Amino acid sequence: AQSVTQLDSHVSVSEGTPVLLRCNYSSSYSPSLFWYVQHPNKGLQLLLKYTSAATLVKGINGFEAEFKKSETSFHLTKPSAHMSDAAEYFCVVSDFGGFKTIFGAGTRLFVKA
Amino acid sequence: SQTIHQWPATLVQPVGSPLSLECTVEGTSNPNLYWYRQAAGRGLQLLFYSVGIGQISSEVPQNLSASRPQDRQFILSSKKLLLSDSGFYLCAWSSWTGMIAGELFFGEGSRLTVL
Repeated sequence: AQSVTQLDSHVSVSEGTPVLLRCNYSSSYSPSLFWYVQHPNKGLQLLLKYTSAATLVKGINGFEAEFKKSETSFHLTKPSAHMSDAAEYFCVVSDFGGFKTIFGAGTRLFVKA
Repeated sequence: SQTIHQWPATLVQPVGSPLSLECTVEGTSNPNLYWYRQAAGRGLQLLFYSVGIGQISSEVPQNLSASRPQDRQFILSSKKLLLSDSGFYLCAWSSWTGMIAGELFFGEGSRLTVL
């Protein structure tokens, strides 16, 4: 069985400071891992994905995530937060073939001016 | 290009009434199809997924059911709604890419309020 845990329900940062959203996963197989973002009253958008290629994955809007198998983690980072980054972020794990895709509970990111 | 349509966008139903939410995908064939529920302040809960016509896997035991009568059509139903069924329902699809999971593409969602 697979699962995903987002360690923080809320994260608050100041504009221009780094962002760290933490995610740990559990999977019986080599997983595919994703980060999605949901802005208020909008649908979900893919930020980045890891599918057993490079362990450091770069996504859109300056975000990146590093797959660490030994720590079963896939944390999302960004060097400098922007006001437009305020949204809810979901860490996602998918099994072999992508038949079963599980979302974390989400982390709401607040960005202060 | 591929598109996903989900309706109705908003629904207010009394307890005990039936439910039918419909989702269709255009521009692709044999997609993986999913129903998720997003309750207020919570993440997305996978309800059902389907890898082909008539093939439905249920993740959460409840009074909801899903059907896939056609390749690109996915229906979420209930015979008798409960208050706890209120939430935001999202349909999604992904491509079959062999060993690698593909990106999920989401519909705009259906907001269900059960009174």
